[in-house]
Amino acid sequence: ETGVTQSPTHLIKTRGQQVTLRCSSQSGHNTVSWYQQALGQGPQFIFQYYREEENGRGNFPPRFSGLQFPNYSSELNVNALELDDSALYLCASSSTTGSYEQYFGPGTRLTVT
Amino acid sequence: EDQVTQSPEALRLQEGESSSLNCSYTVSGLRGLFWYRQDPGKGPEFLFTLYSAGEEKEKERLKATLTKKESFLHITAPKPEDSATYLCAVHNQAGTALIFGKGTTLSVSS
Repeated sequence: ETGVTQSPTHLIKTRGQQVTLRCSSQSGHNTVSWYQQALGQGPQFIFQYYREEENGRGNFPPRFSGLQFPNYSSELNVNALELDDSALYLCASSSTTGSYEQYFGPGTRLTVT
Repeated sequence: EDQVTQSPEALRLQEGESSSLNCSYTVSGLRGLFWYRQDPGKGPEFLFTLYSAGEEKEKERLKATLTKKESFLHITAPKPEDSATYLCAVHNQAGTALIFGKGTTLSVSS
């Protein structure tokens, strides 16, 4: 069984630029959720994708957007990067059948300078 | 408003010194309480799910319990490799998002 994978591992961007982060869900999972984790804080929910549509959204501005593909992989796009966007971005996959557990990938560390 | 509060923020133990971590939650209709372990710079690793008051789950030196307002993660005879941040989370009412506490950072010294 393949776990959740994310790419890239680390990324450095300049304020105002755009970034795309990628996630492959665990085999057998059809739902992907994205979280932002600032240093010393718990993860904060950005949004969730199910059947290629946004299925719930946290308190994040529209410049945070996403996609889910037919193979259940997903992308997180952030436009007009701000310094406060520097964080660990986590992807989690889950299944709509069975338990509600979400399984996380290793994360992408984004630094905005 | 759905909320999770963890205490203490940090805990230092000697190897073999048992203790408990607390997670207090406020949610409309509990759909599951989750414990995760997170090592520095890595993604959270799933530990347990608890669904109803009175439920208990164990894994090696860890035991999670649940009441109607809080959960405890008991660590028995910890080892240095148990050092990590332990996160508690509940599902939001819609069942989409996990709402996390800030975590408890555990340090176990030999």
